[in-house]
Amino acid sequence: GDSVTQTEGLVTLTKGLPVMLNCTYQTTYSPFLFWYVQHLNEAPKLLLKSSTDNKRTEHQGFYATLHKSSSSFHLQKSSVQLSDSALYFCALSDKVTNYNVLYFGSGTKLTVEP
Amino acid sequence: NAGVIQTPRHKVTGKGQEATLWCEPISGHSAVFWYRQTIVQGLEFLTYFRNQAPIDDSGMPKERFSAQMPNQSHSTLKIQSTQPQDSAVYLCASSPDWGDEQYFGPGTRLTVL
Repeated sequence: GDSVTQTEGLVTLTKGLPVMLNCTYQTTYSPFLFWYVQHLNEAPKLLLKSSTDNKRTEHQGFYATLHKSSSSFHLQKSSVQLSDSALYFCALSDKVTNYNVLYFGSGTKLTVEP
Repeated sequence: NAGVIQTPRHKVTGKGQEATLWCEPISGHSAVFWYRQTIVQGLEFLTYFRNQAPIDDSGMPKERFSAQMPNQSHSTLKIQSTQPQDSAVYLCASSPDWGDEQYFGPGTRLTVL
């Protein structure tokens, strides 16, 4: 079945440094990948999405590229801000076996320090 | 647009009691999803509806959990005989027809004592 792996549970960085949060996935079908961000006591919100191989997608300073050859969709930002502290989830849907159902990774908690 | 509305925001039940959680999707959205969020398991899919019809409940525990969508403006998740392991944040999300993005509600935090 579909699955998503996020290897970092906790990431702590100083403001202004770059960040990369890892996401790899498994699916038999053509994948749709998403990054959701969840601030404390708030609903998860869509940050990025992609289904196009090797095309960079960007939003709010974050970017990611879907690489089907390596089954990856890593999230990056060149300079993190205090407001980026949140929980980040990578998610997968395949549009075939269960249209639009999201399968989430375990999440990465990003803490940005002054 | 008020977004997805979930009520109550917090619910505390005693072991063995029933809990009913409510979700009002965004108007015009045809799909409604329920997820459960815990520290240990993360975000897990439970069930979803499209145009009020149940499509897949493969993530629902086979006993005690049920979900309904009696009309296009609300869905309910009912947990009978709640157990401490049911304690979690239950998230509802909706999406437009054939859309990619799911819009999440703020969740209901269920605590079973």
